[in-house]
Amino acid sequence: NAGVTQTPKFQVLKTGQSMTLQCAQDMNHEYMSWYRQDPGMGLRLIHYSVGAGITDQGEVPNGYNVSRSTTEDFPLRLLSAAPSQTSVYFCASSYSRWSQPQHFGDGTRLSIL
Amino acid sequence: KQEVTQIPAALSVPEGENLVLNCSFTDSAIYNLQWFRQDPGKGLTSLLLIQSSQREQTSGRLNASLDKSSGRSTLYIAASQPGDSATYLCAVRPETSGSRLTFGEGTQLTVNP
Repeated sequence: NAGVTQTPKFQVLKTGQSMTLQCAQDMNHEYMSWYRQDPGMGLRLIHYSVGAGITDQGEVPNGYNVSRSTTEDFPLRLLSAAPSQTSVYFCASSYSRWSQPQHFGDGTRLSIL
Repeated sequence: KQEVTQIPAALSVPEGENLVLNCSFTDSAIYNLQWFRQDPGKGLTSLLLIQSSQREQTSGRLNASLDKSSGRSTLYIAASQPGDSATYLCAVRPETSGSRLTFGEGTQLTVNP
């Protein structure tokens, strides 16, 4: 089925470890983004991309890196995990940055010990 | 900075009731407003999108209204069903920052059979 696929669904890390959250979409969407969802904070934009080779920072980019080498994939990298990065991470995509609605993946639940 | 507030935070109703969820935003310079549904452990599903020039949108038993000048939107659910139980989030997109969405924290709805 077409949609946004996120892997893994769950992950536990130790402080200081690094990891990559994967996001792939098969809808040929140009725009992709990463959000984190925290209790009492709602969803906040981390990074986004308007097309292959183009990325930009969102509201809370510190501690995260992204790249967009293909239209389909938009991985999110945690360079040195911190407990404050414990959250649920959602990837979303849409045809363009101005089009709605955005399609969301099912999320990655990340715990940093 | 745009802030989005949703009231109430949680709502429990018996099956069959009509109900209203509220969303307010502090900056009226919005491009559109979107209502999402989030089921436990899942991503967000777009329900209704209202452009800033529109007053309301309808889809089945759902009706969303927008009063841009007062910074308010309501989601009306008619004849609620247990399957409507989920968290409902509203998000606004500003006029000037492209695709960045500002989310409310959501209203957790439980419809009891």
